[in-house]
Amino acid sequence: AQSVDQPDAHVTLSEGASLELRCSYSYSAAPYLFWYVQYPGQSLQFLLKYITGDTVVKGTKGFEAEFRKSNSSFNLKKSPAHWSDSAKYFCALGNTGYQNFYFGKGTSLTVIP
Amino acid sequence: AQTIHQWPVAEIKAVGSPLSLGCTIKGKSSPNLYWYWQATGGTLQQLFYSITVGQVESVVQLNLSASRPKDDQFILSTEKLLLSHSGFYLCAWSLDWEQFFGPGTRLTVL
Repeated sequence: AQSVDQPDAHVTLSEGASLELRCSYSYSAAPYLFWYVQYPGQSLQFLLKYITGDTVVKGTKGFEAEFRKSNSSFNLKKSPAHWSDSAKYFCALGNTGYQNFYFGKGTSLTVIP
Repeated sequence: AQTIHQWPVAEIKAVGSPLSLGCTIKGKSSPNLYWYWQATGGTLQQLFYSITVGQVESVVQLNLSASRPKDDQFILSTEKLLLSHSGFYLCAWSLDWEQFFGPGTRLTVL
C-alpha cells in the first residue's frame, strides 16, 4: 500500500538557519513525489516535484528537495530560512496515471525572527 | 491563465441537511479534477477524481458523492450531513503532475 510519512509534526528554528523537513514514502513502483505549503487559513501551494531524472529538484520560494531511493526519502531543504517560511508543509506521493495522491500528515514549521 | 473557483467560501449546516459544494476551472480544457477533505489541522484525504465529463471515481467512502456535469465543473454533495463531514474541502486540477488547488470551502456541521 502507498503511504507517506512525515515524522516531525512540528519544527522550530531561528531565522537564518538551515531547514530540512523529513519525508519518507512507501510505494512499490517508481514514486512521483511532491511538496506543498499551506499558510494559515489558506489553500495549498505547489513547491516542487520529483518525477524522474535529477535527484535534487529545485522549486519555488528557494526550496529544494533530494530524492533518495536507498532510504525512500524526499526531504525538503532551504538555507537560510526566513520567518515568512512559517507554514505547514505537506509531502505527497502520486501513483501512475494521475489518479491518486497520498499526503503525509504535514509538518508545521515555525521560523523565529 | 487558469483559475479555479470554489463556492461557497464557507457553510454552516445542520446534521442531516443536504450539501452541495462546487468547483469551476477556467482556462484549462479537460483537466483532471480532484476533491480533497482536510480535517482541522489534519492532512488531506483524497475523496474523488475525474478525468473526463460524466466520469467520477471514488477514492474513499465518506457518505459523499461527486459529479462532473461539465468539463470545467466538479460538484461534491450529500443528502445527509454528518458531524464528521466538518472540515476544509479543496478542489484541485492537475497539469501533468502538478496539482493546483482552489481556495477551499470551510464546512461546519452542527
